[in-house]
Amino acid sequence: EADIYQTPRYLVIGTGKKITLECSQTMGHDKMYWYQQDPGMELHLIHYSYGVNSTEKGDLSSESTVSRIRTEHFPLTLESARPSHTSQYLCASSESGGLKGYEQYFGPGTRLTVT
Amino acid sequence: GENVEQHPSTLSVQEGDSAVIKCTYSDSASNYFPWYKQELGKRPQLIIDIRSNVGEKKDQRIAVTLNKTAKHFSLHITETQPEDSAVYFCAASPGNQGGKLIFGQGTELSVKP
Repeated sequence: EADIYQTPRYLVIGTGKKITLECSQTMGHDKMYWYQQDPGMELHLIHYSYGVNSTEKGDLSSESTVSRIRTEHFPLTLESARPSHTSQYLCASSESGGLKGYEQYFGPGTRLTVT
Repeated sequence: GENVEQHPSTLSVQEGDSAVIKCTYSDSASNYFPWYKQELGKRPQLIIDIRSNVGEKKDQRIAVTLNKTAKHFSLHITETQPEDSAVYFCAASPGNQGGKLIFGQGTELSVKP
């Protein structure tokens, strides 16, 4: 079944550790996005990509980095985790264009806690 | 850049009543306006959307209206049910930015049986 997958779903990690949040989609979409969301609060766009080797920073400044080497894979990395990074991270994807070009589909999210 | 304001932040209604959530946006070039529903602990899911060339769209108990002149759009839920309880987010896609979405602050809707 076509879907967006995120791993891990929950992560508790100590300050200073390097972490990578995985996002993969089998939707065949070109565009992918990362959002940061505190529980029940606004979604803030932190990174997006419109295709392989294309990445852009979103409207919310983030110390994380992303890469897009394969169409279906869009990992997010934090080189040195801090308690201020504690949040939920949601990955999303959408088609390139046409009538469905703006509809974004979300993954289940990764809830990150940095102690 | 685009800014989306959403009101109210919380809304409590009795089962069977109607609920209305309103959003305003700042970029007149924005051309796509989706609404997402997020249940507790779940991913946001698209429930309805509207494009800038349409004034109203309806899908069973939910409807969205768009006023381009005033730059605001609204979600209307009729005959509310307890399973409608969730956080609802509006969003706007700024023109010529390839489909980015700027989200509103969210409205927590509680439907009391």
